[in-house]
Amino acid sequence: GEDVEQSLFLSVREGDSSVINCTYTDSSSTYLYWYKQEPGAGLQLLTYIFSNMDMKQDQRLTVLLNKKDKHLSLRIADTQTGDSAIYFCAENTGGFKTIFGAGTRLFVKA
Amino acid sequence: DTEVTQTPKHLVMGMTNKKSLKCEQHMGHRAMYWYKQKAKKPPELMFVYSYEKLSINESVPSRFSPECPNSSLLNLHLHALQPEDSALYLCASSQVREGYEQYFGPGTRLTVT
Repeated sequence: GEDVEQSLFLSVREGDSSVINCTYTDSSSTYLYWYKQEPGAGLQLLTYIFSNMDMKQDQRLTVLLNKKDKHLSLRIADTQTGDSAIYFCAENTGGFKTIFGAGTRLFVKA
Repeated sequence: DTEVTQTPKHLVMGMTNKKSLKCEQHMGHRAMYWYKQKAKKPPELMFVYSYEKLSINESVPSRFSPECPNSSLLNLHLHALQPEDSALYLCASSQVREGYEQYFGPGTRLTVT
């Protein structure tokens, strides 16, 4: 079955790098996503990676995919207080259903 | 433009009321979604429309009634809700193609009294 797991909390100091990890179970996943949700807001699509890629970089964000271990990570360089939010990892195996992890709450200390 | 808009932002309704949530997108997406999100939980899929036709109903109670009047609009009609239906209701849209990356609206915070 499909399942996405994430650690629930991460605390970092402003200016440090944050690494949020995720594991998924469905080996047929074709797209993997990272969404950000700030308090009282909707989900913002940050980035996504196709399963035939190992890495994707977009400004301060780096996504790494280890398909063998079914492990996905999101690295945020130079973390700012505005990065404090919940980050959801999600997978899609093709079709309308996207499976979301429970979300990792990132706290950034000034 | 990657914006999905939702109205109202907040809604308080009694258990005997009838109300509607509205969602609009102008990205040319042909799939639209309704999700329910409880506090500190991931969003749960409720309905999916593809090309204005209902494609997925995740066994949602009939007191929630979706409607897709055209490719840009999605409504959720609410009737005889229960207090446990209080949640953030999120609308999303996507292309109907590989990837299906979804773009979300800001949500409607619903409180049922």
